[in-house]
Amino acid sequence: EAGVAQSPRYKIIEKRQSVAFWCNPISGHATLYWYQQILGQGPKLLIQFQNNGVVDDSQLPKDRFSAERLKGVDSTLKIQPAKLEDSAVYLCASSEGQTATEAFFGQGTRLTVV
Amino acid sequence: KNQVEQSPQSLIILEGKNCTLQCNYTVSPFSNLRWYKQDTGRGPVSLTIMTFSENTKSNGRYTATLDADTKQSSLHITASQLSDSASYICVVSEVGNNLFFGTGTRLTVIP
Repeated sequence: EAGVAQSPRYKIIEKRQSVAFWCNPISGHATLYWYQQILGQGPKLLIQFQNNGVVDDSQLPKDRFSAERLKGVDSTLKIQPAKLEDSAVYLCASSEGQTATEAFFGQGTRLTVV
Repeated sequence: KNQVEQSPQSLIILEGKNCTLQCNYTVSPFSNLRWYKQDTGRGPVSLTIMTFSENTKSNGRYTATLDADTKQSSLHITASQLSDSASYICVVSEVGNNLFFGTGTRLTVIP
C-alpha cells in the first residue's frame, strides 16, 4: 500500500517569500491533516480536512497560511509571506475517517526560512 | 486544558539495555493512545495503539502500558538496538477525533 506522499522534501526560502507544499494522502482516506513540527517539539495541528471540507483550522495563522483540498484528495499548504519562525518540518497525515484510530504520516517537508 | 506530557526529554542508553519512556495526559474524553517512533528526517510511524480497556500491548521489543485511571502510559523497550535511536511521541486521541501530541522523548542508543 502506498503511503502518504509529500513534496518537496526540503525547501529554503528568504523571509517574506511565499512557498507551497503538496500532499497526496493514502487512497481512500477521507481525513487529511497538516502539522507543523518545530525542531525539538511534537507536531502541532494546523488544519484538518474531512474530504474537501475544513474540520479544524483553529491553530492555522490565517494571515499568512492557507490550505486547500480540492476534490477531497490532494492538498496544498501555502505560506505567504514566510517568517523566520516558520522554519519547521511540515507533516501531512491521513486517516480513513474522523473516528479512525490511526493516522499515517508522510515524511514531511523541511522548510528553512533565512 | 488537554495536554500530553512526556518524560524524559532525552535519554542515552547502552545497546542491549532496557529503558522506559513515560507519558502523562489530561485529554478528556479519552478515545485512544498511540506511541509513534519518529526517525530523524522522517514522519512518525505508529508502534502501538491502546484503547481505554487495554492495559498492556506488545509489538516485538516494544511494550506499552496504559493506566486510564491515572492517565499514564509507558513505553518499555527491551534489549535496545542502535536502530531504536529516534524520537518517541505519545499521541492521545480525544473522542471526536482531535489528536494531542506530546513533545517526544529523544532516545539515543550507543554501542
